[in-house]
Amino acid sequence: NAGVTQTPKFQVLKTGQSMTLQCAQDMNHEYMSWYRQDPGMGLRLIHYSVGAGITDQGEVPNGYNVSRSTTEDFPLRLLSAAPSQTSVYFCASNRGRTGELFFGEGSRLTVL
Amino acid sequence: DAKTTQPPSMDCAEGRAANLPCNHSTISGNEYVYWYRQIHSQGPQYIIHGLKNNETNEMASLIITEDRKSSTLILPHATLRDTAVYYCSRYNQGGKLIFGQGTELSVKP
Repeated sequence: NAGVTQTPKFQVLKTGQSMTLQCAQDMNHEYMSWYRQDPGMGLRLIHYSVGAGITDQGEVPNGYNVSRSTTEDFPLRLLSAAPSQTSVYFCASNRGRTGELFFGEGSRLTVL
Repeated sequence: DAKTTQPPSMDCAEGRAANLPCNHSTISGNEYVYWYRQIHSQGPQYIIHGLKNNETNEMASLIITEDRKSSTLILPHATLRDTAVYYCSRYNQGGKLIFGQGTELSVKP
């Protein structure tokens, strides 16, 4: 099993550009989440999903869109990137009743 | 506030027990306490979790106070490889795992 796979690992964008961070898991987990990590801020929850077709907002959802059309995939979309979205993004998955999350390796995004 | 509160940093001598505290005074009755650690810039890794009772696994022990307002993660014999950021978090089984700011643990020889 590959676990949780994130692509790309590194990305540089210009302000106003759009992009999608991809996340896929092969563990048949019902739940998936996106976090961002900034220096001194720990990990903050952006959006999460408890199953295909179901998403909800986390702590810092503004500027990000998500969808969950399949159990395996949970892409994170930035429609108009801003410098404040420069961060490291982590995707995670877990079986619903447990908070034991399995994280990807992270995607480092820089917005100029 | 759904956040947990942790000291920003701690030191521990190699071979000694590392005791990492966490305050979660507003935790709800159905929320679990979960601990993770993050080494360098890798994705966080699960360590242990609990609801009311103390828990132990091969990595660590978790002590939760009777009123559930605080907990302590114990690494019984810290090694240099335990140097990492440790996060105390809350999970309500509804899909939201909320992390605290973390404690940067430095294990020194």
